[in-house]
Amino acid sequence: AQKITQTQPGMFVQEKEAVTLDCTYDTSDQSYGLFWYKQPSSGEMIFLIYQGSYDEQNATEGRYSLNFQKARKSANLVISASQLGDSAMYFCAMREPFSGGYNKLIFGAGTRLAVHP
Amino acid sequence: EAQVTQNPRYLITVTGKKLTVTCSQNMNHEYMSWYRQDPGLGLRQIYYSMNVEVTDKGDVPEGYKVSRKEKRNFPLILESPSPNQTSLYFCASSSTGLSTDTQYFGPGTRLTVL
Repeated sequence: AQKITQTQPGMFVQEKEAVTLDCTYDTSDQSYGLFWYKQPSSGEMIFLIYQGSYDEQNATEGRYSLNFQKARKSANLVISASQLGDSAMYFCAMREPFSGGYNKLIFGAGTRLAVHP
Repeated sequence: EAQVTQNPRYLITVTGKKLTVTCSQNMNHEYMSWYRQDPGLGLRQIYYSMNVEVTDKGDVPEGYKVSRKEKRNFPLILESPSPNQTSLYFCASSSTGLSTDTQYFGPGTRLTVL
């Protein structure tokens, strides 16, 4: 079963508008971390925002915010006031507690965002 | 500046010719990891290290070796590269191996094996 699901392969948004990128996750652990990364066409993987499973407030970092709904197991990324430079692939990822000999980030398939002028 | 560096950024090589991709971080992180990214398969972990001299296999370790002799360095070694190892490789590090710690990625190494 998919642990991280991003249902939107591609999204379009007009410059200066807000956009929400969806992410749902599946885990039986109580303590976990949720992360969003941006991958522009140049290829690097840029950390955007983090939400801990015990955090009661939604995380915010500048124009990025994370809409965390624990009961629904969703962690949607909201980008406010989109800019042309936001055009990229966006990955949702989860990190579970170290167990069973593995310790890694589990990535979703990604959403490609295109910002139009 | 806090960062993870990888070298080389781009490499074209031939089957069987041993190569090493270096990874270094200047954040005194305990945890380091290697991932590969392939179209349709996403990002998959190759190896990880919880600390110096401690390394473990990830999801796709076959054909790769790693070592962690110093805290800051975590090189990826391909003893006999094959075309199916053509990929985009990322090194990442985090303060510890805790689930709440952010992994920071290097700029990536694009490897082509002919």
